[in-house]
Amino acid sequence: AQKVTQAQTEISVVEKEDVTLDCVYETRDTTYYLFWYKQPPSGELVFLIRRNSFDEQNEISGRYSWNFQKSTSSFNFTITASQVVDSAVYFCALSELTFVGGGADGLTFGKGTHLIIQP
Amino acid sequence: DAGVIQSPRHEVTEMGQEVTLRCKPISGHNSLFWYRQTMMRGLELLIYFNNNVPIDDSGMPEDRFSAKMPNASFSTLKIQPSEPRDSAVYFCASSPGGGESREEGNQPQHFGDGTRLSIL
Repeated sequence: AQKVTQAQTEISVVEKEDVTLDCVYETRDTTYYLFWYKQPPSGELVFLIRRNSFDEQNEISGRYSWNFQKSTSSFNFTITASQVVDSAVYFCALSELTFVGGGADGLTFGKGTHLIIQP
Repeated sequence: DAGVIQSPRHEVTEMGQEVTLRCKPISGHNSLFWYRQTMMRGLELLIYFNNNVPIDDSGMPEDRFSAKMPNASFSTLKIQPSEPRDSAVYFCASSPGGGESREEGNQPQHFGDGTRLSIL
């Protein structure tokens, strides 16, 4: 069975601070995919990044960066120089490969981390 | 480009009534998912379809819940009869599905704005 743990329920920082959101996952599959989604106060779910299990390269996109480490089953998300607009609930999610060339598999979500950026 | 479209955005009804939630996926996407979000249980997968065929409905809580996808551009989630504990935000999502390689598998899911359901 697959599982995603986001141990930080809520994080509050002052604007311009760096903040890291932790994500630890469990799966028995060797091929799997990891995702981060953002849910702002308006409620929609916004896709941020997708990573597959055989690509451990870290990724940077503007102020966002992601650190994927298979050895510790972690996929952490760092926001550099945080801004008030970053305030949201962030979800880490996992899916396993059903079959190549076919449809996708459902996502298993963590409980989310509520990030509060204070001005 | 149009995203995933869900209707209604809000639904308030009395216990025992039938509720139907609707979803139009992004054109060209061959996978469709229904999720439920509550404070207690977070985001849960209810059911998903690949090429209009239900693949896994193990997340559907009870026989009161049913979902259909009669064609590639439309899906419904029905609750009959509804109960107060069904109150939640229901999300529909779609994705292009898998590609021709492991690298292309399980593409990102794009979510609709959700239906906020309140059962009185």
